[in-house]
Amino acid sequence: GDSVTQTEGLVTLTEGLPVMLNCTYQTIYSNPFLFWYVQHLNESPRLLLKSFTDNKRTEHQGFHATLHKSSSSFHLQKSSAQLSDSALYYCALSDLSSGSWQLIFGSGTQLTVMP
Amino acid sequence: EAAVTQSPRSKVAVTGGKVTLSCHQTNNHDYMYWYRQDTGHGLRLIHYSYVADSTEKGDIPDGYKASRPSQENFSLILELASLSQTAVYFCASSDRDNQDTQYFGPGTRLLVL
Repeated sequence: GDSVTQTEGLVTLTEGLPVMLNCTYQTIYSNPFLFWYVQHLNESPRLLLKSFTDNKRTEHQGFHATLHKSSSSFHLQKSSAQLSDSALYYCALSDLSSGSWQLIFGSGTQLTVMP
Repeated sequence: EAAVTQSPRSKVAVTGGKVTLSCHQTNNHDYMYWYRQDTGHGLRLIHYSYVADSTEKGDIPDGYKASRPSQENFSLILELASLSQTAVYFCASSDRDNQDTQYFGPGTRLLVL
């Protein structure tokens, strides 16, 4: 079945440094949607950005990601981390392989930005 | 943005007892979902529904039942709560024409003792 892998459980970095959170996925469906959801402490997950177009950069709130179908990847990046970026980030996949647009989430990456 | 509310926001239950978690959405969305969140496992789908009076099993349905009595309401039922069901539970909803974007409720923290 479909799966999403986020290799880093915890990422800690200093304010101002670049952010890169890894996400790879597996699906037999040729046109999946990929998402990044962000969850701040004591809040619920909310959509950060999404894409279904191969090799097209998607941006929102200073973050960007590019879907690369050739490598089944959708890494999240930001040029300069801010303290407010500290949160739990989920990569997710959606396609019609199950008959409906269900989201398959990765295990999440906890990003902590230090001053 | 969709408004999804959950009740209770937290609950302590005893092993073997019955627990009902409720979810209500006010944006006329067709699809509703129940997830559980555990550290290291992320968000896992328990049950979902795309129409009132019908529910579907997600990836981890064992030990859970769901009920969708109306478009606005979706309940998750633990008939015999177990220690392993201690988790945070999130309800979410999405529109039929934009199913891939889900809006989450505030979550319910369930502790089973």
